[in-house]
Amino acid sequence: AQSVTQPDIHITVSEGASLELRCNYSYGATPYLFWYVQSPGQGLQLLLKYFSGDTLVQGIKGFEAEFKRSQSSFNLRKPSVHWSDAAEYFCAVGAVFGNEKLTFGTGTRLTIIP
Amino acid sequence: EADIYQTPRYLVIGTGKKITLECSQTMGHDKMYWYQQDPGMELHLIHYSYGVNSTEKGDLSSESTVSRIRTEHFPLTLESARPSHTSQYLCASSDSTENNEKLFFGSGTQLSVL
Repeated sequence: AQSVTQPDIHITVSEGASLELRCNYSYGATPYLFWYVQSPGQGLQLLLKYFSGDTLVQGIKGFEAEFKRSQSSFNLRKPSVHWSDAAEYFCAVGAVFGNEKLTFGTGTRLTIIP
Repeated sequence: EADIYQTPRYLVIGTGKKITLECSQTMGHDKMYWYQQDPGMELHLIHYSYGVNSTEKGDLSSESTVSRIRTEHFPLTLESARPSHTSQYLCASSDSTENNEKLFFGSGTQLSVL
């Protein structure tokens, strides 16, 4: 069965500092990977996705993620965070067709300090 | 940009009441989903629909029911609410005609059953 692990429940970084959120997955085939962000009181918004090709994918809001098959990881990065990046971040794995097979991680809450 | 709407945003009710959580989308998406989200936990799919008159149960067993009489509307009903139903419910939709599906989420309904 597919699964997603986000080992960090809560991360605090200073505004302007770099960020890396970890995501490890388990999937029987070539995975399709997603990062979603949820701002307080809001639904989830897609940041980026990986299906094939270049293992470094660019997303919205200056985020990027790198797919590493050997490590079963899909970590999210941003070179310099802004206070507006404070939110909950969810990694997900599944099939490109049929989001009913999408498995989400438990999320990482990001706090930004001045 | 077209959107996906959930009402109410917050609902506090007593045990035994019948409730319906509304979800509508104006994007013409054929696929719609209901997720249940508890703090610190992953999102769990409880229902999904491929189109009008199509409904399926998701990975997480739920006592709720859904209907899909119109493309844009996917309400979720609890016949007799219990405190164990207290949770956040997120509705989502996607367009299966796109090769790379992405989910569009509503802002959620926070349900509290007393």
